[in-house]
Amino acid sequence: EIVLTQSPGTLSLSPGERVTLSCRASQSLARNSLAWYQQKPGQAPRLLFYYASTRATGIPDRFSGSGSGTDFSLTISRLEPEDFAVYYCQLYGTSPSSTFGQGTRLEIK
Amino acid sequence: QVQLVESGGGVVQPGMSLRLSCAASGFIFSDYGMHWVRQAPGKGPEWMGVVSHDGGTKFYADSMKGRLTISRDNSKNMLYLQLSSLRGEDAAVYYCAKEPVKYSSAWYFLHWGQGTLVTVSS
Repeated sequence: EIVLTQSPGTLSLSPGERVTLSCRASQSLARNSLAWYQQKPGQAPRLLFYYASTRATGIPDRFSGSGSGTDFSLTISRLEPEDFAVYYCQLYGTSPSSTFGQGTRLEIK
Repeated sequence: QVQLVESGGGVVQPGMSLRLSCAASGFIFSDYGMHWVRQAPGKGPEWMGVVSHDGGTKFYADSMKGRLTISRDNSKNMLYLQLSSLRGEDAAVYYCAKEPVKYSSAWYFLHWGQGTLVTVSS
């Protein structure tokens, strides 16, 4: 079973700053089958990227996804107030199963 | 537009069974695999299982095997979850989610329901 580890657990930053979130897989992911989600309290997760770097419809270009193999990143170039949320990565496509990371909480400093 | 609406949540006693429904609209339901994902309070989402577009193939998370049954009724555009022998750690918000590409194995999720809360308590 492939395990996803997200780091850091929590980040305290200010609007306007740049941030990179990490998601590391315990084994290499076939076809970079990794997705990123944003979740705000009381809401379902919102898809940001799939296949590591393909931006979902409507996602602002200040968000970018990158990585391959076992190391993946989500970068927000300039934080907006609405970006403070929890971010999850998800692996899929490597077996008839799927796994989410434990999340990174982005909070306002 | 795609709409997924879960129902059936509430308080369930330990040891009892849970049956949830997900009503789908806005797309050709019988073309897409459908998934259940749950999220315990303060935790990340947990993938539970999937049923293929025609109901003929199902996969479940190892942690759920033996307790979980996912089914669908394409004539009614409905997805179902049945989870037996509930325990405290099954308390969560349960979401149904739609695969983004028909007849595929791309298990990331653009469309989710709003979720239904299940509490396990005597």
